[in-house]
Amino acid sequence: KAGVTQTPRYLIKTRGQQVTLSCSPISGHRSVSWYQQTPGQGLQFLFEYFSETQRNKGNFPGRFSGRQFSNSRSEMNVSTLELGDSALYLCASSPWDSPTDTQYFGPGTRLTVL
Amino acid sequence: AQTVTQSQPEMSVQEAETVTLSCTYDTSESDYYLFWYKQPPSRQMILVIRQEAYKQQNATENRFSVNFQKAAKSFSLKISDSQLGDAAMYFCAYRRRIQGAQKLVFGQGTRLTINP
Repeated sequence: KAGVTQTPRYLIKTRGQQVTLSCSPISGHRSVSWYQQTPGQGLQFLFEYFSETQRNKGNFPGRFSGRQFSNSRSEMNVSTLELGDSALYLCASSPWDSPTDTQYFGPGTRLTVL
Repeated sequence: AQTVTQSQPEMSVQEAETVTLSCTYDTSESDYYLFWYKQPPSRQMILVIRQEAYKQQNATENRFSVNFQKAAKSFSLKISDSQLGDAAMYFCAYRRRIQGAQKLVFGQGTRLTINP
C-alpha cells in the first residue's frame, strides 16, 4: 500500500497570500489529522477530519481551515499568510474511528513565508 | 489539558551501546495511549513503539523497549545496540483512548546522535 502523500513538498509564499496544501491518506483510511511543526512551538495539532466532518480543532486562528473530500483526501488552507506561518505541515491518516488506530504520517509540506 | 515533557533536548551515544530517552506526561485520565515517534532528517514521522495505559507489560519492538510507570506518569524509551540509522529526533506523544480522539499531544523532542 502506498503511504500518506502530501503535495506540494515545498512551497514559498509572501505575506498576505493564501495557500492550499493537500494530503492523500493511505487507501482505506478515513481519518486525516493535520499538524504544524515549528522550531519554537514544536508539533501542534491543527484539526482532524473523519468522513468529511471536522471533529476536532486545535488552538489556531480562523485563517487556518480545512476540508475533507468523499475519497478521504484532505486539504488545508491558510489565508492572509504571516511570517509565523512558516513551518512544516504534517498530515496523518488512520483507518477508522477506533481508539486502537495508529496514525501514519506523510512526509510533510515545508511552507516558507517571505 | 494533557501535556508531555521531554527534558533532554539532545542525547548522544556510541554505536552499539544503549541509550534511554525520558518522557513525562500529565493527564487526569486513566485510559490513554503513549507513543514514541522518530523523525529522521527526511522529516518523515515514523512510529517506533506504542503503549496502552491499561497494559502493565512494557511494550517492546526489536531493539526498542519502553519503561512505562503509570503512577509516576513516566514513559522512557530504551534503544539497545544503537545503530547509525537510529540518529533522529524522537518525540514522545499522548493520545486519549476514546472514540473520535485522534489528536496527538507531542513533547518537544530529543535529538539523538549516534557516534561511530
